Amino acid sequence: EVQLVESGGGLVKPGGSLRLSCAVSGRTFSDLYMSWVRQAPGRGPEWVGLIKCKADGETVHYAAPVKGRFTISRDDSRNTLYLQMNSLKIEDTGVYYCATDVPYSGGGAFDSWGQGALVTVSS
Amino acid sequence: IVLTQSPGTLSLSPGERATLSCRASQSVDSRFLVWYQQIRGQAPRLLIYATSTRAAGIPDRFSGSGSGTDFTLTISRLEPEDFAVYYCQQYGTSEWTFGQGTKVEIK
Repeated sequence: EVQLVESGGGLVKPGGSLRLSCAVSGRTFSDLYMSWVRQAPGRGPEWVGLIKCKADGETVHYAAPVKGRFTISRDDSRNTLYLQMNSLKIEDTGVYYCATDVPYSGGGAFDSWGQGALVTVSS
Repeated sequence: IVLTQSPGTLSLSPGERATLSCRASQSVDSRFLVWYQQIRGQAPRLLIYATSTRAAGIPDRFSGSGSGTDFTLTISRLEPEDFAVYYCQQYGTSEWTFGQGTKVEIK
């Protein structure tokens, strides 16, 4: 069974930066497509972005609201996914989940989720 | 692609049938339409992927159907643990999107 554990959440001022990490175990990390999904208080989930595996070029896709501000990366030697968040806005506040998908489903059917990391952007 | 779920809230009793709708602003590849259940304070739980394939461990009272722009999640007989919020999601283009959710509450 795959396990995902996020870390790095916290309180940051608008315009600030934060980096989240997601440690993965139980599956061959280097084969996985990995995503970040966030959820603002009282709202539904919102996809943030995805990084494909090395075999598929480690292609990265971002949601429009975070493009140019957030960077997704991975370190296969550490089985870890990262989300670098810069120029943070109040509307970026929420719980950030890392997630991975059903094998060979194309990257978006998230069957495994972390416990979530709370990011609060406030002055 | 914008996904619109209806109704916003569904008030039903245990044992009743629930029918949840998800309508897309443009056609969605049926391989890339997904349903989740979320209980307050927890991460979403995958129920259905590829429109109609149940995820591992999901009971057969959950079923999905649809094509093109109209998709449906059906819960044949509601159990107490099924009262939750349900989201549809599409992917397959370069941007994944979720619907706004349907809350299934106890009548």
